[in-house]
Amino acid sequence: QSALTQPASVSGSPGQSITISCTGTSSDVGGYNYVSWYQQHPGKAPKLMIYDVSNRPSGVSNRFSGSKSGNTASLTISGLQAEDEADYYCSSYTSSILYVFGTGTKVTVL
Amino acid sequence: QVQLQESGPGLVKPSETLSLTCSVSGDSISNYYWSWIRQPPGKGLEWIGYIYYSGSTNYNPSLKSRVTISVDTSKQQFSLKLSSVTAADTAVYYCARGVIGGSWMLDYFDYWGQGTLVTVSS
Repeated sequence: QSALTQPASVSGSPGQSITISCTGTSSDVGGYNYVSWYQQHPGKAPKLMIYDVSNRPSGVSNRFSGSKSGNTASLTISGLQAEDEADYYCSSYTSSILYVFGTGTKVTVL
Repeated sequence: QVQLQESGPGLVKPSETLSLTCSVSGDSISNYYWSWIRQPPGKGLEWIGYIYYSGSTNYNPSLKSRVTISVDTSKQQFSLKLSSVTAADTAVYYCARGVIGGSWMLDYFDYWGQGTLVTVSS
């Protein structure tokens, strides 16, 4: 089981919207609605941003939204802010090894 | 507020066993999949395994032969042992609370410890 595939980097200007993709297979992303997204600032623990494809935990800004189509999940950040600059990881339940993370995406705010 | 705190040696010699403990406070250790996740320096996250409060476990197949996760409900702690370590096991190790989805599937991690760096070196 390989990691889910994410772009290495995505960038945008303040106020813009960006989308991060997360591509898997029918054994993980495409087969279950157990896709989640985590934000990680340097030297910090990951923070849950989205769970079950599109649900936001309490306290997470509504500028963050998630969706899924087929074997690809997406995280959209609207109204990009400087504090959104971080690494983002998707993850999913998988029938093969039970749980897998994505390769990670570095978001840069220009 | 749920809090998790990892503890254990920051330096382990090659071929020896890495041992870490995670202390949980703010909620009962019941009804979740208590997990270990690691992140090599500059790299991505890797799920190691989880334990249910009853003691049932599941491990990442890539590490299964070397991993043991145990729980002590009386102390609100769970532990990780990784045997025969090499430099490739150098990483920040996180403990996390895993939420259970339908059909007892691991869904997501809602609380994480701060992480502890373990270096494998002689």
